[in-house]
Amino acid sequence: GAGVSQSPSNKVTEKGKDVELRCDPISGHTALYWYRQRLGQGLEFLIYFQGNSAPDKSGLPSDRFSAERTGESVSTLTIQRTQQEDSAVYLCASSADRSSSYEQYFGPGTRLTVT
Amino acid sequence: AQSVTQLGSHVSVSEGALVLLRCNYSSSVPPYLFWYVQYPNQGLQLLLKYTSAATLVKGINGFEAEFKKSETSFHLTKPSAHMSDAAEYFCAVWVPGNTPLVFGKGTRLSVIA
Repeated sequence: GAGVSQSPSNKVTEKGKDVELRCDPISGHTALYWYRQRLGQGLEFLIYFQGNSAPDKSGLPSDRFSAERTGESVSTLTIQRTQQEDSAVYLCASSADRSSSYEQYFGPGTRLTVT
Repeated sequence: AQSVTQLGSHVSVSEGALVLLRCNYSSSVPPYLFWYVQYPNQGLQLLLKYTSAATLVKGINGFEAEFKKSETSFHLTKPSAHMSDAAEYFCAVWVPGNTPLVFGKGTRLSVIA
């Protein structure tokens, strides 16, 4: 079956603009995660969705970052008023459910460049 | 809170030589441990995982890792490096009840012909 997909693969934006990044999880996976990978750094957890529960937003770095998920399908990560430090690869992952949340399958990522 | 330290941001080996990538973790409860590989412009692919069963774990592409509780380590090894092993490798830790994976900063492996 299809894996996790993300779009766009690359995004260049000007400082101050808003951007939306999309993630399509594996069909049937109830859990979805967003991570940020800055150059030379590991993956930094941003936000986690599990079914219809309230999302875990504990990793969002500022109120410029938000994310939504419709049911158990697509998720959108929005960054408002982008800054140069937002430049990174944004990775999405999904897992079957909370009990297997360690079994995360990753998408190819969106490379965001803020100029 | 748990954490992961990967020693060496860049490791270079000759083709055919032993690959050793180091990972040490910190966790107050028994963890699950993972190694992921990331090829250029691709997402992360799971190499292997330790989930409290056998301490020596075998993964894909000939890699294996050994969980050593006394040393709080989970080093990744491969007896003979191939050119295709050149990639970024990430160690990660997870504990039950805490859903995000916690990643190390990664080690870039170069393989020299």
